[in-house]
Amino acid sequence: DVKVTQSSRYLVKRTGEKVFLECVQDMDHENMFWYRQDPGLGLRLIYFSYDVKMKEKGDIPEGYSVSREKKERFSLILESASTNQTSMYLCASRRTGLSSYEQYFGPGTRLTVT
Amino acid sequence: KNEVEQSPQNLTAQEGEFITINCSYSVGISALHWLQQHPGGGIVSLFMLSSGKKKHGRLIATINIQEKHSSLHITASHPRDSAVYICAVASQGNLIFGKGTKLSVKP
Repeated sequence: DVKVTQSSRYLVKRTGEKVFLECVQDMDHENMFWYRQDPGLGLRLIYFSYDVKMKEKGDIPEGYSVSREKKERFSLILESASTNQTSMYLCASRRTGLSSYEQYFGPGTRLTVT
Repeated sequence: KNEVEQSPQNLTAQEGEFITINCSYSVGISALHWLQQHPGGGIVSLFMLSSGKKKHGRLIATINIQEKHSSLHITASHPRDSAVYICAVASQGNLIFGKGTKLSVKP
């Protein structure tokens, strides 16, 4: 079974703190994604990566950065957390070459910024 | 206009009822996914469709490619079916997600 894990299920941080969210997948997938999910807005893509050290902006990259130093690990960084970044963050991965674009999701990290 | 529209946004049903959730899309697709998200966060895949109909237990998913429409049906609904159901289409190099339908099934 594909497994995507995220470093924390729940996280509480203060405004202005630097926040790291880690995601690891064990299926050698080339592509990895970070989404945020808010009520009424659904899943919105923040960044994705199609290879090590490669990254592409999604729909809402402002206030975020990412790092992919190893194929299995994709990190989301909030350089200076703000209250409007309180959200559920979901990581996903998928294999290149499938026309279905099927993605496998991690359990999510619920981040609260106070 | 959103490329993937789901209806309804929220749905409350009594245990045992037949439930339908709809998904319409406006782009060309190679596949359509139905996903389930229970309270607590994790998203799992229920179905992947490119044509016709699929059934798994009490869940049935259909797709009409010409009309750009898909439905997810739940027969004999149960409180454990309470979750958010998300439609996603494979298009333009990635998945495009609907906003989700929150289903609550009361005992």
